[in-house]
Amino acid sequence: SQQGEEDPQALSIQEGENATMNCSYKTSINNLQWYRQNSGRGLVHLILIRSNEREKHSGRLRVTLDTSKKSSSLLITASRAADTASYFCATPQTGANNLFFGTGTRLTVIP
Amino acid sequence: NAGVTQTPKFQVLKTGQSMTLQCAQDMNHEYMSWYRQDPGMGLRLIHYSVGAGITDQGEVPNGYNVSRSTTEDFPLRLLSAAPSQTSVYFCASSYGRGSRETQYFGPGTRLLVL
Repeated sequence: SQQGEEDPQALSIQEGENATMNCSYKTSINNLQWYRQNSGRGLVHLILIRSNEREKHSGRLRVTLDTSKKSSSLLITASRAADTASYFCATPQTGANNLFFGTGTRLTVIP
Repeated sequence: NAGVTQTPKFQVLKTGQSMTLQCAQDMNHEYMSWYRQDPGMGLRLIHYSVGAGITDQGEVPNGYNVSRSTTEDFPLRLLSAAPSQTSVYFCASSYGRGSRETQYFGPGTRLLVL
């Protein structure tokens, strides 16, 4: 499978702390994407990082990509209760039009 | 823009019934796809389309049909519903190739098959 896998499956932190989630994948990719899903809602795109990039920032989000280790991490700094959600990494299927999604990390931020 | 819209939001079917899940987008996106999400399974691709008149199968296509007569609409048809099709269904669209571009998701349809 080329599916990305997130780690940990669940994470619980206090408001204000940083949250780090990891994603590992199995084959070469040209990009990796992170999405957020609030309970009962659709997925919302957070960041796309391309294979020639090592780090990317968006507000309180920082994504890193290590193609040699086939892994990525998503860091949320100064977490808020509103960050409580599931976070998914998605990797493209080689030579195809599709994305594969992992099973997600469920983040709970305690006020 | 309304983005990606899905109807209905919730549906209960009996085994053997058929129905169509509607998906529409107003962003002029070429690529559209259907996923199902089950607990602990992540999202799995059912069918996708790279443009009007072109569809292809994803990871779990059995029991589902799709068509793409217009750029805007991409309905998903359940031919004969089975309890194993109980799931949350998401439609998504993107401007270009789905694997290289941001995908925009609809709010989902929760389907219960009894």
